[in-house]
Amino acid sequence: GAGVSQSPSNKVTEKGKDVELRCDPISGHTALYWYRQSLGQGLEFLIYFQGNSAPDKSGLPSDRFSAERTGGSVSTLTIQRTQQEDSAVYLCASSFKGARETQYFGPGTRLLVL
Amino acid sequence: AQRVTQPEKLLSVFKGAPVELKCNYSYSGSPELFWYVQYSRQRLQLLLRHISRESIKGFTADLNKGETSFHLKKPFAQEEDSAMYYCALLNNAGNMLTFGGGTRLMVKP
Repeated sequence: GAGVSQSPSNKVTEKGKDVELRCDPISGHTALYWYRQSLGQGLEFLIYFQGNSAPDKSGLPSDRFSAERTGGSVSTLTIQRTQQEDSAVYLCASSFKGARETQYFGPGTRLLVL
Repeated sequence: AQRVTQPEKLLSVFKGAPVELKCNYSYSGSPELFWYVQYSRQRLQLLLRHISRESIKGFTADLNKGETSFHLKKPFAQEEDSAMYYCALLNNAGNMLTFGGGTRLMVKP
């Protein structure tokens, strides 16, 4: 079946602009995660959605970052007033029930802020 | 706070040699640990998890709570094992996966 998909695959933007990154999880997966992978860094947890519960936003680096998950499926990560340090690969993952289960990762969105 | 450390950014071995990718963690609760792998031009994927006590592609990893380690081992490395390997720790609440910085394994012919 189809895996996790993300769009766009690459995004170049100017400093100060807003960007939206999209994630389509595997159908039937109730848990969805966003991570960030900066150059030379490991994967940094950003946010976790589980079913209809309030998301765990503890990993969001600043209030410029926000995420939504509509209808328990598609998720959008929004970065407002982008800064150069936001340049990274943003990965989305989903799992069937929760974080104790295997997380299936998307291909990522490579964001470059000029 | 939980932390995962992979001390080696790059590990280079010859085909057929044993390989050990180190992972140390810091966590006050009961840890649940994973190894994820990313092959060239592929997605990040789960390799193994300590609760399963399984061997995948010849790799094994044993949780050592005394040494707070979860090293990944394979007795005879193959060229197709070349990839980026990430160790990850799940918190007790099961809502946060903390990854290490990753180790790039290069297996030379």
